[in-house]
Amino acid sequence: NAGVTQTPKFRVLKTGQSMTLLCAQDMNHEYMYWYRQDPGMGLRLIHYSVGEGTTAKGEVPDGYNVSRLKKQNFLLGLESAAPSQTSVYFCASSYSIKVGDQPQHFGDGTRLSIL
Amino acid sequence: QQQVKQSPQSLIVQKGGISIINCAYENTAFDYFPWYQQFPGKGPALLIAIRPDVSEKKEGRFTISFNKSAKQFSLHIMDSQPGDSATYFCAARKAGGFQKLVFGTGTRLLVSP
Repeated sequence: NAGVTQTPKFRVLKTGQSMTLLCAQDMNHEYMYWYRQDPGMGLRLIHYSVGEGTTAKGEVPDGYNVSRLKKQNFLLGLESAAPSQTSVYFCASSYSIKVGDQPQHFGDGTRLSIL
Repeated sequence: QQQVKQSPQSLIVQKGGISIINCAYENTAFDYFPWYQQFPGKGPALLIAIRPDVSEKKEGRFTISFNKSAKQFSLHIMDSQPGDSATYFCAARKAGGFQKLVFGTGTRLLVSP
């Protein structure tokens, strides 16, 4: 049981380049989330999805887009990378709120550097 | 604007000692307060969680104390071990918020042998 898998694990981009981060979960979770983690700032929610085909903005959505075409996958895109987007990106998933208090399960992160 | 304020930023405790991490919040709409543990190079993982109708919850060496009137909650790690060295995040969830969490800024704990 792999849980939440993020690819790639590391990436270096030049300013202005685009890329897509992939998140896949095998737990049949309804909800999925993308966070960024920066020193001294904790985890901040970028975008989230409460089901296949639905997405919503989180706390820091500017400069990012997401798609959830399949229930098990959640993609995070950077259209034109900026140095301020250098961060560690985490994907998480969880059961629906209808199931009650449920933990979020995190992947091991993607370390992204933008030069 | 930090909705959940966490302190201290870092903490060094001797093996066998008690580690205490504190969090405070303002929004009374929060209805669930988890703590996550993160080891280097890994994603956070749920450690323990509490609801505001309970003042204390204990799981092994880990205890959450919750003070609803003061809007504060804390994590206590009894008999701290070197293997507890990690970053700890408190978090809070708004009622009806699709399991969305607001995280504190994290506390890096080092337990010295």
